[in-house]
Amino acid sequence: DAKTTQPPSMDCAEGRAANLPCNHSTISGNEYVYWYRQIHSQGPQYIIHGLKNNETNEMASLIITEDRKSSTLILPHATLRDTAVYYCIVRVATPSNTGNQFYFGTGTSLTVIP
Amino acid sequence: NAGVTQTPKFRILKIGQSMTLQCTQDMNHNYMYWYRQDPGMGLKLIYYSVGAGITDKGEVPNGYNVSRSTTEDFPLRLELAAPSQTSVYFCASSHSGGNTEAFFGQGTRLTVV
Repeated sequence: DAKTTQPPSMDCAEGRAANLPCNHSTISGNEYVYWYRQIHSQGPQYIIHGLKNNETNEMASLIITEDRKSSTLILPHATLRDTAVYYCIVRVATPSNTGNQFYFGTGTSLTVIP
Repeated sequence: NAGVTQTPKFRILKIGQSMTLQCTQDMNHNYMYWYRQDPGMGLKLIYYSVGAGITDKGEVPNGYNVSRSTTEDFPLRLELAAPSQTSVYFCASSHSGGNTEAFFGQGTRLTVV
């Protein structure tokens, strides 16, 4: 049962905005949506997170639909260094239900093209 | 702040050998996690801890053990290495289990031959 659904790959021209979609239709009312990225096989890097309001920081903007069933990560001016795998993540209960974890799907591989 | 530090970065083990992957964080975080990532896949939770002395299993705990004697350290132990444990291992920490982000180490690439 997928917690989040993302397209497997996307391309974006350098300097243009990259819009990465994510569906999280089973998200509950108090669960946040997190975005991370992973460059090559480095450790995942935190980008942004939000609950229901749109969020912006120095790296990106996060747009969450009113029903919270989907979101879009926006990189306003993509550079070659933004080529990475982007993960849309929700926190789910651990198997023993004693805590929660960041649940990673397979992400979207974004390629920024010169 | 060094953040989350993992050692070693690379290791080759023979089948049946054992080793400990080290993880330490200097952010005074309560929560710590161990994930593994197989090629082309997302990360899967092995074990986690919500504080010193408290650990619990994640999705794929078989073949691994952990301990959490201090807030800073969360080592992962492989007792009898198997080829199926060839993977990249990531340690992470977060302040709590609520509205806080996790910080990840740079990973340990383990090959079992």
